[in-house]
Amino acid sequence: DVKVTQSSRYLVKRTGEKVFLECVQDMDHENMFWYRQDPGLGLRLIYFSYDVKMKEKGDIPEGYSVSREKKERFSLILESASTNQTSMYLCASSGDRGQETQYFGPGTRLLVL
Amino acid sequence: GQNIDQPTEMTATEGAIVQINCTYQTSGFNGLFWYQQHAGEAPTFLSYNVLDGLEEKGRFSSFLSRSKGYSYLLLKELQMKDSASYLCAVRSHSGNTPLVFGKGTRLSVIA
Repeated sequence: DVKVTQSSRYLVKRTGEKVFLECVQDMDHENMFWYRQDPGLGLRLIYFSYDVKMKEKGDIPEGYSVSREKKERFSLILESASTNQTSMYLCASSGDRGQETQYFGPGTRLLVL
Repeated sequence: GQNIDQPTEMTATEGAIVQINCTYQTSGFNGLFWYQQHAGEAPTFLSYNVLDGLEEKGRFSSFLSRSKGYSYLLLKELQMKDSASYLCAVRSHSGNTPLVFGKGTRLSVIA
């Protein structure tokens, strides 16, 4: 069974704090993704990675960075959290074949005060 | 640009059939996915279409017309637990290309 786990389900941080969200997958997937999901806006891609130490910007990378030091782990970093980064953050992973779906983690609901 | 359209909300009655439509304009096409997402939870995979036609999986079916840039998800014998958001997503290129998601259709099943 595919498993994607995220380090926290709920997180409360203060404006200006550095925030780390971690994602681990156990399927030896090449590709990993970070999205945020907001009401009325749907899923928006922040960053993705198709290999260790590789990263690509998605649609909304501003204010975020990522790290992929190991194949199974993909971290999202908010360098200086702001209130407009309050959101649900979803990590996903997939293999390389075209028909492979993306498997999602349970999500982290982040509140920035 | 990439654009995926689906209705924002739908309501249907328990036991009935509902069809959720999705139209897409993307730079390429290498498959269309449907996901179900219950409130507060992660999306889970429902179906995949890459060739024209209907794919059936129990109470759920998904149809694709590549020439029309159109898909639908058909849910039969609706149950209360089918109340959820349904997301349409397109892979425009190779397997490591991120999916492009629609904003989702919130389905409410009423008694």
